[in-house]
Amino acid sequence: AQKITQTQPGMFVQEKEAVTLDCTYDTSDPSYGLFWYKQPSSGEMIFLIYQGSYDQQNATEGRYSLNFQKARKSANLVISASQLGDSAMYFCAMREGGDNDMRFGAGTRLTVKP
Amino acid sequence: NAGVMQNPRHLVRRRGQEARLRCSPMKGHSHVYWYRQLPEEGLKFMVYLQKENIIDESGMPKERFSAEFPKEGPSILRIQQVVRGDSAAYFCASSPARGSYNEQFFGPGTRLTVL
Repeated sequence: AQKITQTQPGMFVQEKEAVTLDCTYDTSDPSYGLFWYKQPSSGEMIFLIYQGSYDQQNATEGRYSLNFQKARKSANLVISASQLGDSAMYFCAMREGGDNDMRFGAGTRLTVKP
Repeated sequence: NAGVMQNPRHLVRRRGQEARLRCSPMKGHSHVYWYRQLPEEGLKFMVYLQKENIIDESGMPKERFSAEFPKEGPSILRIQQVVRGDSAAYFCASSPARGSYNEQFFGPGTRLTVL
């Protein structure tokens, strides 16, 4: 069964506007971590933001925030004030407390238009 | 503080040859993970190692693939008798310890092309 689902293969956003990238997950483990990574065309994986399952508040890192809705098992990434350099693939990932690996979604390709 | 280092960044092999991919974790990290990314897909877990131990290789193909993390030196992912389907980006990540609260720091990846 798919553990991480990203339903948007591609998204477009106008420069300076906000955009939300969707991510839903599936787990029965009460302890888990959720991660978002950015992969630009150069190929490296850049860590953006982390949310722990027991965190009471939504994580924020600069222009990135994570809209964590635990009951709905969603962890959407919100990018405010989009910049041209935000154009990239974005991957949502989850690591369950007892597991060694991270499970990645299929990714969303974000294109920021000038 | 250097990040995770992988080399080579690009590797071209002909079918039947061997590919050796190297990964040096971040300083102070003793846990190494290997992932494979096929074109237009997310990363798929392959193997998790600590120094001198394979902890979890549930994502490794049963044949031709092996990994090690010796006491000294980098972690090595070895692919014997490569086939065209092995063409992918191979990422190494490291973390200081296990647990959902530890981010894995990724290297820049090695892009393997099998001709």
